[in-house]
Amino acid sequence: GNSVTQMEGPVTLSEEAFLTINCTYTATGYPSLFWYVQYPGEGLQLLLKATKADDKGSNKGFEATYRKETTSFHLEKGSVQVSDSAVYFCALDQAGTALIFGKGTTLSVSS
Amino acid sequence: DTAVSQTPKYLVTQMGNDKSIKCEQNLGHDTMYWYKQDSKKFLKIMFSYNNKELIINETVPNRFSPKSPDKAHLNLHINSLELGDSAVYFCASSQDPGGGYGYTFGSGTRLTVV
Repeated sequence: GNSVTQMEGPVTLSEEAFLTINCTYTATGYPSLFWYVQYPGEGLQLLLKATKADDKGSNKGFEATYRKETTSFHLEKGSVQVSDSAVYFCALDQAGTALIFGKGTTLSVSS
Repeated sequence: DTAVSQTPKYLVTQMGNDKSIKCEQNLGHDTMYWYKQDSKKFLKIMFSYNNKELIINETVPNRFSPKSPDKAHLNLHINSLELGDSAVYFCASSQDPGGGYGYTFGSGTRLTVV
């Protein structure tokens, strides 16, 4: 069945450091891919998405590229801020199933 | 003007009780969901309704019963609560499942069973 694997956390960075959170997926066909962010005590917010191979999603300085050849959708940000501290979830969506999430990666950024 | 709203936000109750969580969306979406987030933050689908019809029913104890009176509402009723039911429950809705639009989530209901 479909699944999403993302790197285990926590990830601890200093402000202005470069961020990469790895995400790979297993799916038949052509799923849509998403990154969601969950700030402490809040619900999930859609951060960015890509719906087909080679698409790049971007938002708030975060980027991720849909790589079909490596079945990956890694999240990157060039310079993180303290306010980016949150839990990040990679997810895939495909017709006939519900959104499937990875286990989440906790990011902690210190000043 | 909250898009997906859940009530209550916090729920503390004793084992054996019956409780309900309500969810409403004002986005005009046809599909709604319930997810459970455990203490390790893992999110798992429980149920999905499309225009009041149950379309996804994962392996969930039958103590959990969803009800959708109309396509804007999806409530979750839990009978005979157990300690292991303690979690955060999220409601969500989507415009077109599998269509690449993503889901809109509520802010969650933190259920604590004591």
